[in-house]
Amino acid sequence: GAVVSQHPSRVICKSGTSVKIECRSLDFQATTMFWYRQFPKKSLMLMATSNEGSKATYEQGVEKDKFLINHASLTLSTLTVTSAHPEDSSFYICSASYRVLGYGYTFGSGTRLTVV
Amino acid sequence: DAKTTQPNSMESNEEEPVHLPCNHSTISGTDYIHWYRQLPSQGPEYVIHGLTSNVNNRMASLAIAEDRKSSTLILHRATLRDAAVYYCILRLLSNFGNEKLTFGTGTRLTIIP
Repeated sequence: GAVVSQHPSRVICKSGTSVKIECRSLDFQATTMFWYRQFPKKSLMLMATSNEGSKATYEQGVEKDKFLINHASLTLSTLTVTSAHPEDSSFYICSASYRVLGYGYTFGSGTRLTVV
Repeated sequence: DAKTTQPNSMESNEEEPVHLPCNHSTISGTDYIHWYRQLPSQGPEYVIHGLTSNVNNRMASLAIAEDRKSSTLILHRATLRDAAVYYCILRLLSNFGNEKLTFGTGTRLTIIP
């Protein structure tokens, strides 16, 4: 149980376009979801926390107008990278909070975004 | 979240046990100790978690120091598929509504055939 499906796994887009990444909890309701980005050989960096039905909380230094997060239902959160530029190329990973005692979090398989 | 400190890298021979240490001296009484691992180009994968007592599952064992300021992830018989970056993370269970899971640098485990 506690599976998170992330789509797409890879996307290449042109500079200036927008890209939407979906994160779905398949067999549980995810009240809280998290979005991370990861550069090569680096650790995961938390970008924002989204709670179903409310605005996302962004980490310091993350542009909320650039990285739009929508968590409209208990099973779906989306991250839209708006007006993408090559420096936005990264590995984006979502995670959902799974509220079984002490269990923690389950992660999507990640999305490799390349902006050309 | 309280901070954790791990060695940047470790190596181990295949089929031998591996002990991955983690220091978390600022841990609070309600922080659970979680371990995740990340294979190349994949999202992190849950390994094990614990609060005070040592824990075992099919993947690994978690040994928690009596004062809880450190823990050790034990892979009993490493295989090449265990080569990954291992993250030790503290999670405050009761921090609903303001929870956050932040990753440190982790330990890159290399398995030598």
